[in-house]
Amino acid sequence: KQEVTQIPAALSVPEGENLVLNCSFTDSAIYNLQWFRQDPGKGLTSLLLIQSSQREQTSGRLNASLDKSSGRSTLYIAASQPGDSATYLCAAPAGGTSYGKLTFGQGTILTVHP
Amino acid sequence: GAGVSQTPSNKVTEKGKYVELRCDPISGHTALYWYRQSLGQGPEFLIYFQGTGAADDSGLPNDRFFAVRPEGSVSTLKIQRTERGDSAVYLCASSLTGYTEAFFGQGTRLTVV
Repeated sequence: KQEVTQIPAALSVPEGENLVLNCSFTDSAIYNLQWFRQDPGKGLTSLLLIQSSQREQTSGRLNASLDKSSGRSTLYIAASQPGDSATYLCAAPAGGTSYGKLTFGQGTILTVHP
Repeated sequence: GAGVSQTPSNKVTEKGKYVELRCDPISGHTALYWYRQSLGQGPEFLIYFQGTGAADDSGLPNDRFFAVRPEGSVSTLKIQRTERGDSAVYLCASSLTGYTEAFFGQGTRLTVV
């Protein structure tokens, strides 16, 4: 059974800092790994999806890496801004017949203060 | 619509009542998923539909929970005899196939009082 853990549970940083969010998973036989953003009271917005054959993906100030052998992924946010404040979730397929059956971590609550 | 649509956005019901939550997937998406997210937790998988059939319902917590997708498009999650512990955000997602990226709706916040 896939288990996903995120560290830290919460993070508060001043604007402009570079930061790293960590995600670990127990079953390394994953098809992909995905990072989501969730604003309070809202649904999930997909940020980055890394296929199992890839090592990293980049979108703007975001960079996500994947190391299947160690069961880890990191989300790097460069030059953080107050608008980046949200909960960040990582998710990996739970196994079985579909990629959309995901196991999520508990999330990292990020606060970027001016 | 362009994205996954869920209605209602908020639902308050009394303990013991029956509720239905609706999900309109992205047009043409054959796969549909329901998740439940309790406060402070990540979403937890409930059920996966491929077309009209439930391909995996291993996440449904008990027999009070049931979901249908009769025409392979809109899905309804049904909860009988609601309990206060059912209070959560219920998220729906859809994908083109079971092997492509899933896109999430905004969720329905269910409060059982």
